Amino acid sequence: DVKVTQSSRYLVKRTGEKVFLECVQDMDHENMFWYRQDPGLGLRLIYFSYDVKMKEKGDIPEGYSVSREKKERFSLILESASTNQTSMYLCASSLPGRAGSTEAFFGQGTRLTVV
Amino acid sequence: AQSVAQPEDQVNVAEGNPLTVKCTYSVSGNPYLFWYVQYPNRGLQFLLKYITGDNLVKGSYGFEAEFNKSQTSFHLKKPSALVSDSALYFCAVRDTGGFKTIFGAGTRLFVKA
Repeated sequence: DVKVTQSSRYLVKRTGEKVFLECVQDMDHENMFWYRQDPGLGLRLIYFSYDVKMKEKGDIPEGYSVSREKKERFSLILESASTNQTSMYLCASSLPGRAGSTEAFFGQGTRLTVV
Repeated sequence: AQSVAQPEDQVNVAEGNPLTVKCTYSVSGNPYLFWYVQYPNRGLQFLLKYITGDNLVKGSYGFEAEFNKSQTSFHLKKPSALVSDSALYFCAVRDTGGFKTIFGAGTRLFVKA
């Protein structure tokens, strides 16, 4: 079974803090993704990576950055947390290929609250 | 640009009755279409996908979906709903050759005993 593990289920951080969300997958997937999930908006793509040290902006990258130093690990960084970044964050991975016919495997999510 | 619409925020159905969760999409080329389910406080789980071939796709837990190219739809169906099917369902689309998957806003399914 594919396992995508996010380091925290729940986080509470203060405004202005630098926040790190970690994600690890154990299936040697090339592609990894970070989404945020908000009620009524579905999932919105923040960043994705199709190889080590490669990253591409998604639809809402502002205020975020990512790091992919190893194939299995994809980190999301909130440079200076703000209250409008309170959300559920979901990491996902998938098999390689621009063809894109493969489904994604998701972590359990991190519910981040910024106070 | 890609887009996907789930026109119903919520669907209510009685246990044992058939269920349908609607999805329409827009892509510039040929679509890859997916359904995912999310149970409370969990990540998303893959249910089924349409890539090519037969328009009727069968997936996990007895779910199926029908790809209709002329109506640009990919509705999720199940012949007989279970209370345990109650969850949040997401339709997603990706165009061939793309990395990005676009998700709908989600439809909450309530199955009443």
